[in-house]
Amino acid sequence: NAGVTQTPKFQVLKTGQSMTLQCAQDMNHEYMSWYRQDPGMGLRLIHYSVGAGITDQGEVPNGYNVSRSTTEDFPLRLLSAAPSQTSVYFCASSKTGTDYEQYFGPGTRLTVT
Amino acid sequence: SQKIEQNSEALNIQEGKTATLTCNYTNYSPAYLQWYRQDPGRGPVFLLLIRENEKEKRKERLKVTFDTTLKQSLFHITASQPADSATYLCVLYNQGGKLIFGQGTELSVKP
Repeated sequence: NAGVTQTPKFQVLKTGQSMTLQCAQDMNHEYMSWYRQDPGMGLRLIHYSVGAGITDQGEVPNGYNVSRSTTEDFPLRLLSAAPSQTSVYFCASSKTGTDYEQYFGPGTRLTVT
Repeated sequence: SQKIEQNSEALNIQEGKTATLTCNYTNYSPAYLQWYRQDPGRGPVFLLLIRENEKEKRKERLKVTFDTTLKQSLFHITASQPADSATYLCVLYNQGGKLIFGQGTELSVKP
């Protein structure tokens, strides 16, 4: 099992550009989520999904879109990048939801200039 | 307001000693609490989960306690090793079904 994979590992964007962060898992997990991690702060939930076709907003959803067309994939789209979105982004999955251990990907370090 | 706090200062200890990390929370009634380890440049890795009706949980050299009266969890690593150096995250499961992450405590174990 590859576990949770994320691409790219690093990305630099200019303000206003859009891009998609990719996340995939091969553990047949129903629950997937996206977090951002900023210095001195805990991970904050952006969006999550409890299964294919179902997504919902987390704590900090503005400026981000998600979709879940398959169980395996959960891409995160930045619509119009802003410097405030400079962060490290983690994708996570788990068997059933937040009542179970989370498996995290290696992260994507995004810089918006 | 709801708050979760971990030791903000890095913890430096000598190899072989017991490391104790603290997680305090206010205005939550978590059903359970998780601890994760995070190494630089990597994603968090799950270590232990403890439920509100459990006082203590152990896994090899790791021990977690959960005191719902004090609103505190303690995370212990016994016989610590330099390989235990990392940041440790405390995570609450709140009643709304969301995970709330602490900012983490950096542990450094010196040989």
